[in-house]
Amino acid sequence: GNSVTQMEGPVTLSEEAFLTINCTYTATGYPSLFWYVQYPGEGLQLLLKATKADDKGSNKGFEATYRKETTSFHLEKGSVQVSDSAVYFCALSDREDDKIIFGKGTRLHILP
Amino acid sequence: NAGVTQTPKFRILKIGQSMTLQCTQDMNHNYMYWYRQDPGMGLKLIYYSVGAGITDKGEVPNGYNVSRSTTEDFPLRLELAAPSQTSVYFCASRGGGGRPNQPQHFGDGTRLSIL
Repeated sequence: GNSVTQMEGPVTLSEEAFLTINCTYTATGYPSLFWYVQYPGEGLQLLLKATKADDKGSNKGFEATYRKETTSFHLEKGSVQVSDSAVYFCALSDREDDKIIFGKGTRLHILP
Repeated sequence: NAGVTQTPKFRILKIGQSMTLQCTQDMNHNYMYWYRQDPGMGLKLIYYSVGAGITDKGEVPNGYNVSRSTTEDFPLRLELAAPSQTSVYFCASRGGGGRPNQPQHFGDGTRLSIL
């Protein structure tokens, strides 16, 4: 079945550091891939998505590229801010399933 | 621009009580979902629905029931509340007829404590 594996946290970085959160997936078809962000006390919000191989999703300075050959969708940001502190979820969806499959989430702490 | 609305935002129940968590969306989405999120953990799917009159179990359905009489509403009922059901509950919806490139839209959650 489909699955998503993302790096365990918490990840702690200083402000302006480079961020990478790893995400790999297993899927039988050609899934769409998503990153969601959850700020403290809130629900999940879509951060970015990519729907086919080699697509790059981007939003708010975050980027992720759909890599079919390595089945990965790593989240990156060149210079993080304190306001980026949140939990980040990688997720996939394909035609064979009515559900979106979420990873376990990675908590990110940015220190000023 | 309401999106997905959940009520109540907070609730404390005694063991054995029952309650209904309300969820409504104004985006005319066919797909709706209920998740629970325990402290420091990821999401677990409780129930989902692909349209009015159709519901299906997720990975943790025991102790819960749902109904979907309209496109807009997807209430979650807890019967005989237990401490293990203390959690944050999120409702989500998804449009596009189930096309895989459509993301889910989440409500702000209901924080439920069972004492």
